[in-house]
Amino acid sequence: EPEVTQTPSHQVTQMGQEVILRCVPISNHLYFYWYRQILGQKVEFLVSFYNNEISEKSEIFDDQFSVERPDGSNFTLKIRSTKLEDSAMYFCASSEVSRGSYEQYFGPGTRLTVT
Amino acid sequence: AQTVTQSQPEMSVQEAETVTLSCTYDTSENNYYLFWYKQPPSRQMILVIRQEAYKQQNATENRFSVNFQKAAKSFSLKISDSQLGDTAMYFCAFTPQETSGSRLTFGEGTQLTVNP
Repeated sequence: EPEVTQTPSHQVTQMGQEVILRCVPISNHLYFYWYRQILGQKVEFLVSFYNNEISEKSEIFDDQFSVERPDGSNFTLKIRSTKLEDSAMYFCASSEVSRGSYEQYFGPGTRLTVT
Repeated sequence: AQTVTQSQPEMSVQEAETVTLSCTYDTSENNYYLFWYKQPPSRQMILVIRQEAYKQQNATENRFSVNFQKAAKSFSLKISDSQLGDTAMYFCAFTPQETSGSRLTFGEGTQLTVNP
């Protein structure tokens, strides 16, 4: 069964450093998403991406964040200058969004620790 | 803006028993989807069940079923014959149907523990 994959599973970085989180969505899906979950809290939407551009972003997704689909398979989230409060689990998701199918399928997540 | 509320931070159930997790939501949309996701200790988000708002029939997936009350904006999850592997955090989520690729809005989660 096709699945969303994410790398790395755990990333440790120092405050102020740039990080890139990588995702490979399910191959026939058209919409891609990033979510964040701070430990012990609910899952929060960051951004959605369709047709090579951002379709929606939340107030969390400020200028420190950017997304890119550098090739036909990868979808990346870049945090330019990490802060301590960026420590969280980051989930990539994808959806087909054909009629009758609105499920979003999640990857296993990348745990980002900012020290 | 949509909101999703799960008022039970923690619940526990004995193995083989039935448990119901509650979820309410608020929206001005008429067409939307509701989901329950399971997050075990591995923190993977696993889709459990979905419900289309235009369908009156409650969704069922094996031991999992929902009680969808559109007028009351309520969407509870019933787990029958609970198993130890059901121990996880459960999140209720909402997405509007009218706009493709819309965000999921999640509730705060309910930590379910199945006791042997």
